[in-house]
Amino acid sequence: QKEVEQNSGPLSVPEGAIASLNCTYSDRGSQSFFWYRQYSGKSPELIMSIYSNGDQEDGRFTAQLNKASQYVSLLIRDSQPSDSATYLCAVPGGTSYGKLTFGQGTILTVHP
Amino acid sequence: DVKVTQSSRYLVKRTGEKVFLECVQDMDHENMFWYRQDPGLGLRLIYFSYDVKMKEKGDIPEGYSVSREKKERFSLILESASTNQTSMYLCASSSPVTGGWSYNEQFFGPGTRLTVL
Repeated sequence: QKEVEQNSGPLSVPEGAIASLNCTYSDRGSQSFFWYRQYSGKSPELIMSIYSNGDQEDGRFTAQLNKASQYVSLLIRDSQPSDSATYLCAVPGGTSYGKLTFGQGTILTVHP
Repeated sequence: DVKVTQSSRYLVKRTGEKVFLECVQDMDHENMFWYRQDPGLGLRLIYFSYDVKMKEKGDIPEGYSVSREKKERFSLILESASTNQTSMYLCASSSPVTGGWSYNEQFFGPGTRLTVL
């Protein structure tokens, strides 16, 4: 099993809908989780972090963590065409050096 | 404004050439990373460094080496470029983890798209 797996894409949603992106991880000891967004031709940028079970909200974005089931999800409410990008889930690599393990990414397209 | 820069946005090299990719960060970060990104495979870690002259292999180090002589600069070296090293290369940096809940945001450079012919 891969360390971090994301739901297969690409994902296409209409403008205004909720986009749901999912990620599972294998290391039960993981304590923190990150979502990066990468626009086409650009580098990844951090958009959400979550450290404890439950929901973490930031504007239209909500990260949800379920440690018992080992999954983390990202919900984007009222999706906009500008949300079209690749979303990468990342989990710390278990060392003290800040190493992250990334999932393969989910391509999201929001169509008008 | 935090900044990670990479020496080239696009690079074309021939098979067998020695290739140097350079990364510079201005955030005084201890940790620096080199990834390659290929369609469907996400970001894969090649090497990382947690201090000057200190390095560790990532998940796919074969065919690559690195150098970190100064804190702000981290170089990726392809000793003898091959066509399967054609990829997007991304450099990143982060501050060190200071506790179990600390925040490890990685800041990325713009990437170098390397083509090996």
